[in-house]
Amino acid sequence: KQEVTQIPAALSVPEGENLVLNCSFTDSAIYNLQWFRQDPGKGLTSLLLIQSSQREQTSGRLNASLDKSSGRSTLYIAASQPGDSATYLCAVLGVDSSYKLIFGSGTRLLVRP
Amino acid sequence: ETGVTQTPRHLVMGMTNKKSLKCEQHLGHNAMYWYKQSAKKPLELMFVYNFKEQTENNSVPSRFSPECPNSSHLFLHLHTLQPEDSALYLCASSHGGELFFGEGSRLTVL
Repeated sequence: KQEVTQIPAALSVPEGENLVLNCSFTDSAIYNLQWFRQDPGKGLTSLLLIQSSQREQTSGRLNASLDKSSGRSTLYIAASQPGDSATYLCAVLGVDSSYKLIFGSGTRLLVRP
Repeated sequence: ETGVTQTPRHLVMGMTNKKSLKCEQHLGHNAMYWYKQSAKKPLELMFVYNFKEQTENNSVPSRFSPECPNSSHLFLHLHTLQPEDSALYLCASSHGGELFFGEGSRLTVL
């Protein structure tokens, strides 16, 4: 059974810092991995999608990497801003064609001005 | 704006009420999902529909009843709920393995 873990659960940094969020998963048989952002009381916004054959994806100040063999992904945020404050979730889609996306518990990020 | 619309955004109901949550997408996606998000817990997958057929029921109590009349609409019918069912209910649709979520329906059961 796939399990997804995110560390740390919460993170507080001063504005301008570069930071890394971690995601690990127990079953490497994945189709893809997605990183999402969730603001309080809102839905999830897709940030980056990495297919299982890819090693990384970049969008603006965000860079996500995937090491499928070790069951790890990282989300790198460069030059953090207060507007980046949110909960970040990673999720993996298995290869069993069941369309089930399994989520981690998220990392709650606060960027202090 | 993700293209997935959920209504209502907020719902308060008593334990004896019957209500429904609605989800709509016009993205041409073939799969639709209901997720439950409770405080301090990971998102829990409830139901998956692919081309209107239910492909997953993640041991959800029968007081939650999904309906998918076509590929663009998904409902979650609610009856005789419990206070512990209070949560944010999120709908999503997908194509090619990438999920797009609605803003969610915040449900409070009194």
